[in-house]
Amino acid sequence: KQEVTQIPAALSVPEGENLVLNCSFTDSAIYNLQWFRQDPGKGLTSLLLIQSSQREQTSGRLNASLDKSSGRSTLYIAASQPGDSATYLCAAKAMDSSYKLIFGSGTRLLVRP
Amino acid sequence: GAGVSQSPSNKVTEKGKDVELRCDPISGHTALYWYRQSLGQGLEFLIYFQGNSAPDKSGLPSDRFSAERTGGSVSTLTIQRTQQEDSAVYLCASSSKQGPQREQYFGPGTRLTVT
Repeated sequence: KQEVTQIPAALSVPEGENLVLNCSFTDSAIYNLQWFRQDPGKGLTSLLLIQSSQREQTSGRLNASLDKSSGRSTLYIAASQPGDSATYLCAAKAMDSSYKLIFGSGTRLLVRP
Repeated sequence: GAGVSQSPSNKVTEKGKDVELRCDPISGHTALYWYRQSLGQGLEFLIYFQGNSAPDKSGLPSDRFSAERTGGSVSTLTIQRTQQEDSAVYLCASSSKQGPQREQYFGPGTRLTVT
């Protein structure tokens, strides 16, 4: 059974720092891995989607990597800003007929001004 | 264009009552998912619809939960005889067609509180 874990559960950094959020999954048989952002009381905003054949994806100050063999993905945020404060969730797409997403429990990020 | 919409945004109900939650997927999207986000449980899959195929109900927590999708578009999640542990945010997502490469787009969710 696929399990997705995110470390750390919470992170507080001063504005301007570069930071890395970690995501690990137990079963390397995934179709892709997706990173989301969730603001308090809001839905999910997709940040980056990495297909299983890819190693990384970049969007602006965000870079996500995927290493299927080790069951790990990282989300790198460069030059963090207070507006980056949110909960970040990673999700692995199950290799079954439903293609459902298996979510980690999230990392709650606070960027201090 | 319009994204996934859900209604109501908030619902407070008394224990034992039935509730219906609605999801309008992105126009043309054939795949639709329901997920639940509750404190201490994280975000979990409930049910999946794809076109006219039989839904994957493997994530529904009990027989009090059911869902239907009419005309391949709008979906309704029904919870009968609600319990306090049903309190959660219910999220709906859709994608353009079945296939592992397709991204799921999420709605804003319905926050359900059972008193």
